[in-house]
Amino acid sequence: DQQVKQNSPSLSVQEGRISILNCDYTNSMFDYFLWYKKYPAEGPTFLISISSIKDKNEDGRFTVFLNKSAKHLSLHIVPSQPGDSAVYFCAASVTGANSKLTFGKGITLSVRP
Amino acid sequence: EPEVTQTPSHQVTQMGQEVILRCVPISNHLYFYWYRQILGQKVEFLVSFYNNEISEKSEIFDDQFSVERPDGSNFTLKIRSTKLEDSAMYFCASRLASSYEQYFGPGTRLTVT
Repeated sequence: DQQVKQNSPSLSVQEGRISILNCDYTNSMFDYFLWYKKYPAEGPTFLISISSIKDKNEDGRFTVFLNKSAKHLSLHIVPSQPGDSAVYFCAASVTGANSKLTFGKGITLSVRP
Repeated sequence: EPEVTQTPSHQVTQMGQEVILRCVPISNHLYFYWYRQILGQKVEFLVSFYNNEISEKSEIFDDQFSVERPDGSNFTLKIRSTKLEDSAMYFCASRLASSYEQYFGPGTRLTVT
């Protein structure tokens, strides 16, 4: 049951360049999307989110874009830094009382110095 | 900055034994969740808890699992009779009533032998 898909398992970019991490979803009921960053042996750390009423949300070096018609979102990190190297999870929820998160498999980002 | 804490960080138990995983959510949060991640797999939703009762549970959360908020700060997950397949990282998360962003603890690694 892959309602949230992160099809690329890994991405490697040069320090200072842009990192673009992609995520697709199939459940049209999802209306809130989040990105989490995870280091080994730690819990997911919230990065940025976007509601389905928006198509872009920006927070410092991180920008999330949402294309509802394509059921696609992406996380842009500019400029990428070595400390950004981690696993990035896309998650989606249906807003309401429970709002459980449905996660993708994650993308391992490596930023080369 | 407030954070979700979890204890223990690692629990080793024998098959058939009971385990209790403990979490202290962020103090003004009202919604609480347990997720798990089996090695190499996605983070999966187990259960959500609000107003001292379960609001939603997944298929994984069978009669062997239970949750409790025994006092004003702790939130526990009990597995009555552990199986080998319960071996995973277990994450607790919490959120404000006014936001859909969930904040995760560092996790408890459960190893069932």
